[in-house]
Amino acid sequence: AQSVTQLDSHVSVSEGTPVLLRCNYSSSYSPSLFWYVQHPNKGLQLLLKYTSAATLVKGINGFEAEFKKSETSFHLTKPSAHMSDAAEYFCVVSDRGTGGGNKLTFGTGTQLKVEL
Amino acid sequence: NAGVTQTPKFQVLKTGQSMTLQCAQDMNHNSMYWYRQDPGMGLRLIYYSASEGTTDKGEVPNGYNVSRLNKREFSLRLESAAPSQTSVYFCASSEAPQKNTEAFFGQGTRLTVV
Repeated sequence: AQSVTQLDSHVSVSEGTPVLLRCNYSSSYSPSLFWYVQHPNKGLQLLLKYTSAATLVKGINGFEAEFKKSETSFHLTKPSAHMSDAAEYFCVVSDRGTGGGNKLTFGTGTQLKVEL
Repeated sequence: NAGVTQTPKFQVLKTGQSMTLQCAQDMNHNSMYWYRQDPGMGLRLIYYSASEGTTDKGEVPNGYNVSRLNKREFSLRLESAAPSQTSVYFCASSEAPQKNTEAFFGQGTRLTVV
């Protein structure tokens, strides 16, 4: 069975400082991993995805994540936070379900707060 | 491009009432999903449909039924609503069942059961 652990439920940073959102995963197979962002009262938007190509993945809005198999981690980073980055972020692991579907398992989310 | 469209956006039900949440996608995707989102719990999979004509249970299927009406549409039915089903429901679709395809989400349905 696959699972995702987001190590921080809330992260607060100052505008212009680096962002680190931590994610560890567990999967029986070689998984695909994703980060999604959800702004208040909105749907979910894909930030980036890892699919066994390059281990350092670049996404939208300056975010990137590094897949580390030895640490079973997929942490999300951004060099300089912007006020518009304030949102909830979800780490997601994907593997095939029993019915053959693409089962996405979500972490519990990290709320990012950006202060002036 | 509409993407994934859910209706309704908001709904209030009384305990024991039934309703169907509708979802349609215009991206010609094969796979569709229903999730519920509760505070502090992330999104949990209720049911999914890997392809037209198939459905399968997810993590929290009790109290729900689904219908994959055609390739575009995937509905979620609550036969007898309970307060525990108060949640935000998201429909999603992905191009294929392969694990490396991302899902696209609708804007959500906020359901309150009183």
